[in-house]
Amino acid sequence: QKEVEQDPGPLSVPEGAIVSLNCTYSNSAFQYFMWYRQYSRKGPELLMYTYSSGNKEDGRFTAQVDKSSKYISLFIRDSQPSDSATYLCAMIPNTGGFKTIFGAGTRLFVKA
Amino acid sequence: EPEVTQTPSHQVTQMGQEVILRCVPISNHLYFYWYRQILGQKVEFLVSFYNNEISEKSEIFDDQFSVERPDGSNFTLKIRSTKLEDSAMYFCASSESITGTGGAFDEKLFFGSGTQLSVL
Repeated sequence: QKEVEQDPGPLSVPEGAIVSLNCTYSNSAFQYFMWYRQYSRKGPELLMYTYSSGNKEDGRFTAQVDKSSKYISLFIRDSQPSDSATYLCAMIPNTGGFKTIFGAGTRLFVKA
Repeated sequence: EPEVTQTPSHQVTQMGQEVILRCVPISNHLYFYWYRQILGQKVEFLVSFYNNEISEKSEIFDDQFSVERPDGSNFTLKIRSTKLEDSAMYFCASSESITGTGGAFDEKLFFGSGTQLSVL
């Protein structure tokens, strides 16, 4: 079983739609959960981070963590064509440290 | 806005040759990283570097790889004898601090735009 699983998509939605992106993981030691956005030919850019379980909202973005199910989500409200990118979930264990584990990324297309 | 700068953006080399990928991290950052992304695959951790030494490395980072901070601004990744399977996008990243325990998330990674390495 992969440590972090993420559906690669692609996911295509019309402008204004609510987008739901998800990851599952197997390592119960993960405590820090992040979402990165990656545009074509660019490095990942941190969007959201959450510690342990719960929700976090930032503008049109909401991150959710359900540690009991080992499942994390990113919701994008009122999606825009500029949101078209690859979204990577990422995790760090509760021991902290230097190594971030990434999911494979989901490609999102928002059509105008 | 400060950013991580990587050069070159694209490097083509012959199998068996040595390559050096260069990075200029954000100036007040203390932790430096190399990640790579093979086409169509996930971003993978290679190595982290702090206080002039490797702090953690993955199983990918074997004896063919080395990192160096030759001066106060540059951070380099050297591959001594490239293989076809080294072809990937290599990302440099830096952070001001790292995540400890207890909920404080400090490891905000800032990535460069990457160097696409093609080994022929």
